[in-house]
Amino acid sequence: DVKVTQSSRYLVKRTGEKVFLECVQDMDHENMFWYRQDPGLGLRLIYFSYDVKMKEKGDIPEGYSVSREKKERFSLILESASTNQTSMYLCASSFYGMEQYFGPGTRLTVT
Amino acid sequence: GQQVMQIPQYQHVQEGEDFTTYCNSSTTLSNIQWYKQRPGGHPVFLIQLVKSGEVKKQKRLTFQFGEAKKNSSLHITATQTTDVGTYFCAGGSGTYKYIFGTGTRLKVLA
Repeated sequence: DVKVTQSSRYLVKRTGEKVFLECVQDMDHENMFWYRQDPGLGLRLIYFSYDVKMKEKGDIPEGYSVSREKKERFSLILESASTNQTSMYLCASSFYGMEQYFGPGTRLTVT
Repeated sequence: GQQVMQIPQYQHVQEGEDFTTYCNSSTTLSNIQWYKQRPGGHPVFLIQLVKSGEVKKQKRLTFQFGEAKKNSSLHITATQTTDVGTYFCAGGSGTYKYIFGTGTRLKVLA
């Protein structure tokens, strides 16, 4: 079975802190994605990566950056957390054009 | 930019009733995927449709892709309490990324 793991299920951070969210997949997928999920807004794509060290902005990249140094690992970085970044963060991975496998999510609260 | 709208946002049905959610894209899609997210869980892939006018069935679930490849629907026949959750469509445009709809939250009353 494909496994996508995320470093934390729940995280509480203070405004202005730098936040790292890690995602690891074990199926050798080329593509990895970071989404945020908010009530009534569905899943919105923050960044995605189609290969090691390759990344592209999604629909809401402002305030975020990403890193993919190894194929299995995709990190989301909040350079200076703000309260409007309180959300559920979901990581996913896939082969090109195929179904996405999601991790369990990280519920981030910024106070 | 490309948008994918999904209706309704919420649906409450009595167990045994049918349920349909609709997905509409502002642009022509190359394919569409459907996902289900149980309460407290993460989205899980259900199916992918690629061809214009395609219809696929999974037990009580029927998925359709419109002729113009701009809309899609998911129909559940005789809902059960296990169908509870949020159903998302995700439109692919032939690139790496997919645009997710806003989701339809289904509640089934026993």
